[in-house]
Amino acid sequence: EAQVTQNPRYLITVTGKKLTVTCSQNMNHEYMSWYRQDPGLGLRQIYYSMNVEVTDKGDVPEGYKVSRKEKRNFPLILESPSPNQTSLYFCASSFGGGASYTFGSGTRLTVV
Amino acid sequence: RKEVEQDPGPFNVPEGATVAFNCTYSNSASQSFFWYRQDCRKEPKLLMSVYSSGNEDGRFTAQLNRASQYISLLIRDSKLSDSATYLCVALTGNQFYFGTGTSLTVIP
Repeated sequence: EAQVTQNPRYLITVTGKKLTVTCSQNMNHEYMSWYRQDPGLGLRQIYYSMNVEVTDKGDVPEGYKVSRKEKRNFPLILESPSPNQTSLYFCASSFGGGASYTFGSGTRLTVV
Repeated sequence: RKEVEQDPGPFNVPEGATVAFNCTYSNSASQSFFWYRQDCRKEPKLLMSVYSSGNEDGRFTAQLNRASQYISLLIRDSKLSDSATYLCVALTGNQFYFGTGTSLTVIP
């Protein structure tokens, strides 16, 4: 089944403890992206990647890192999480060239 | 100014009603447009792409007006299962920009 897989689905962590949210797609998509979704603010792009080893900042990159060492994986790293990073996170992928996104199921992160 | 703006609603309509959502985009260079549907706390899912000539998929009709920079979604004969948040999306260059969504509740 074609899909974008995110893990974990739910995560509660403490301020400052490094964490990684994994994202993997099996559709051979070139383009991958991370969003966070907050009430009243909608989906905001954190980082995106147009291909292996090519990443770029979105609208809200502060406090996040990404890497794209393989085409299928695009992990999101929070080196020192803070409570303002409590949010619902979505990974998405696309063939690019105007094609639509497919989203993962989301990761609900709480930083206390 | 936001790249994509939508009326957040909520829209509460009776079953069988016709409802229309509009969305405006600020960048005339935006090249592709989509409507997504998002159920509570779940991932957005593609409802339909929006083509310049307008397009229809069953009870759903999407239209694009490039001159006025707006996109619309019309839902005919609303069903209870249409209750969700509808997100308008514009692709500009390599970036997708999402509206904050319009909430629809269809009432029995």
